[in-house]
Amino acid sequence: SYVLTQPPSVSVAPGQTARITCGGNNIGTKRVHWYQQKPGQAPVLVVYGDSDRPSGIPERLSGSHSGNTATLTISRVEAGDEADYYCQVWDNSSDHPGVFGGGTKLTVL
Amino acid sequence: QVQLVESGGGVVQPGRSLRLSCAASGFTFSSSAMHWVRQAPGKGLEWVAVISYDGIKKYYADSVKGRFTISRDNSKNTLILQMNSLRAEDTAVYYCARADFIGPSYFLDFWGQGTLVTVSS
Repeated sequence: SYVLTQPPSVSVAPGQTARITCGGNNIGTKRVHWYQQKPGQAPVLVVYGDSDRPSGIPERLSGSHSGNTATLTISRVEAGDEADYYCQVWDNSSDHPGVFGGGTKLTVL
Repeated sequence: QVQLVESGGGVVQPGRSLRLSCAASGFTFSSSAMHWVRQAPGKGLEWVAVISYDGIKKYYADSVKGRFTISRDNSKNTLILQMNSLRAEDTAVYYCARADFIGPSYFLDFWGQGTLVTVSS
């Protein structure tokens, strides 16, 4: 089954840029989606289709895709961005197509 | 606005069954595929199952296949997860989520607050 790999943790100072990566075999052929989850809360969609943002999500959060890696970039990081972030793809070649990455804990120093 | 409210969680003994429900409102439920996703305590998200808008197509994670059944009642705007032969490793918060689609990929655009299932003797 398809596997998505994320770093367990990323740390960044306020005002700096955080980059959270998501790797997978031939991930360039798949659309990647990103979710933010704060402690005790349900996940929230922040990027879909590699780089589109739902309404209400600030432009500071952006998604990109290059080679075998997708990246969620958070510019001008704020304390409120501290959360777990998950990437997700849909593997149409599988009969269990929903796949999440293991998640990345973003710590704002 | 879109609302998804899960119910039915609780403490259950290993080997027993539990039925989760998700009440949907604020959108045309009968036009949307729906997912269940779970999260074990302190762990990441795990996709569990998806059902098509009309209830015909269903897909499951290997970890629950043959034990869990996803279904829906479009007349009642309700999503169901019937969980049988429960195991300790099924202990998790279970979320229902609405599916949206950007070719050729589903994503989950709205989530409920989740319901906790604890499997323990």
